[in-house]
Amino acid sequence: AQSVAQPEDQVNVAEGNPLTVKCTYSVSGNPYLFWYVQYPNRGLQFLLKYITGDNLVKGSYGFEAEFNKSQTSFHLKKPSALVSDSALYFCAVRDIGGSQGNLIFGKGTKLSVKP
Amino acid sequence: DTEVTQTPKHLVMGMTNKKSLKCEQHMGHRAMYWYKQKAKKPPELMFVYSYEKLSINESVPSRFSPECPNSSLLNLHLHALQPEDSALYLCASSPDSTGVGYTFGSGTRLTVV
Repeated sequence: AQSVAQPEDQVNVAEGNPLTVKCTYSVSGNPYLFWYVQYPNRGLQFLLKYITGDNLVKGSYGFEAEFNKSQTSFHLKKPSALVSDSALYFCAVRDIGGSQGNLIFGKGTKLSVKP
Repeated sequence: DTEVTQTPKHLVMGMTNKKSLKCEQHMGHRAMYWYKQKAKKPPELMFVYSYEKLSINESVPSRFSPECPNSSLLNLHLHALQPEDSALYLCASSPDSTGVGYTFGSGTRLTVV
């Protein structure tokens, strides 16, 4: 069965510093991987995805993620954090166990960026 | 139009009420989803519609009843809910069943009293 793990409940970063939010996955076959961000009382906003191709994926708002097949990881990164990046971040993998494209989410990581 | 629109944004209902949540998209997507999200938890899949047919029901209690009247609309009918059903209900759509190109709505914040 497919699964996603986000080992950190919370990540604290000072504004201007680089940030990393970790994600590891377990799938049978090739993964479709996604990152979403959620602000309080809002829906999920798509940041980026990996399907095939370059291991370094660039997404919205200056975020990027690196797909590492040997480490089964898909960590989210940003070179310089902003206070406005503070939110809840979810890593997700597409469930390829069946024929439907529903997403399986990690538990989420709360990112807090302090001025 | 690149959005998924959910109405209402907030809903308070009693345990004996009947209400409905509505989701609409005009992107031509053929797969639509209902997710339930409790505070500070990941979304949990409830139902999947693919080409207007219910394809996944994740053992959701019968007090939740989905309906897909056409390719643009997805409803969730609620009846005799419990306080523990209070949550953010998210609708999403994708072009097809591959799961690529998901778009989420902003959700309906449901409180059952």
